[in-house]
Amino acid sequence: EAGVTQSPTHLIKTRGQQATLRCSPISGHTSVYWYQQALGLGLQFLLWYDEGEERNRGNFPPRFSGRQFPNYSSELNVNALELEDSALYLCASSPLGRDSYEQYFGPGTRLTVT
Amino acid sequence: GENVEQHPSTLSVQEGDSAVIKCTYSDSASNYFPWYKQELGKGPQLIIDIRSNVGEKKDQRIAVTLNKTAKHFSLHITETQPEDSAVYFCAAKYSGGGADGLTFGKGTHLIIQP
Repeated sequence: EAGVTQSPTHLIKTRGQQATLRCSPISGHTSVYWYQQALGLGLQFLLWYDEGEERNRGNFPPRFSGRQFPNYSSELNVNALELEDSALYLCASSPLGRDSYEQYFGPGTRLTVT
Repeated sequence: GENVEQHPSTLSVQEGDSAVIKCTYSDSASNYFPWYKQELGKGPQLIIDIRSNVGEKKDQRIAVTLNKTAKHFSLHITETQPEDSAVYFCAAKYSGGGADGLTFGKGTHLIIQP
């Protein structure tokens, strides 16, 4: 069974630009979670999508947004990039819906903002 | 919101010895407690989890214990091996209506000395 995949592996952007990160969940999983892993801040919950809808978001500004497609893949968009957005962005998928438990992570996208 | 504290931040043990990592959580509504192992350059890997209706769970050399009254849970690794060297994260989550993402501890860097 293929795991969670993310693309691109690395992304370099300039401050003020927009970044788009992509995630494909494990087959059969309907929930996708996005997390930010920044140096010194640990893993922080960003967004949760299930059945095509945003279910919840963490304590991040609105310039962090995303969507989930009918095939359950997901996209994370970060607008007006700031230097502190440099981090590893991790996507996780879950086999259940609203009462999800296990989350399985992808390898992440390393975003560098210069 | 939930807050998870994890100790120690670094743990060095001799190969073959046991390792214990401890976490405390603040939200009594949390009912799901996973542990992840993250190796350099990879995404977190789910290694074991426990739900609030269970006090202990074992999987070969790994065990997790949960004390709901004291709001703390621990990871126990016995007969440690060099491949156990990694960063370990505990997390907590409420899984139910209005559920959120995982709240992670800051991580423990486990070093297995040969």
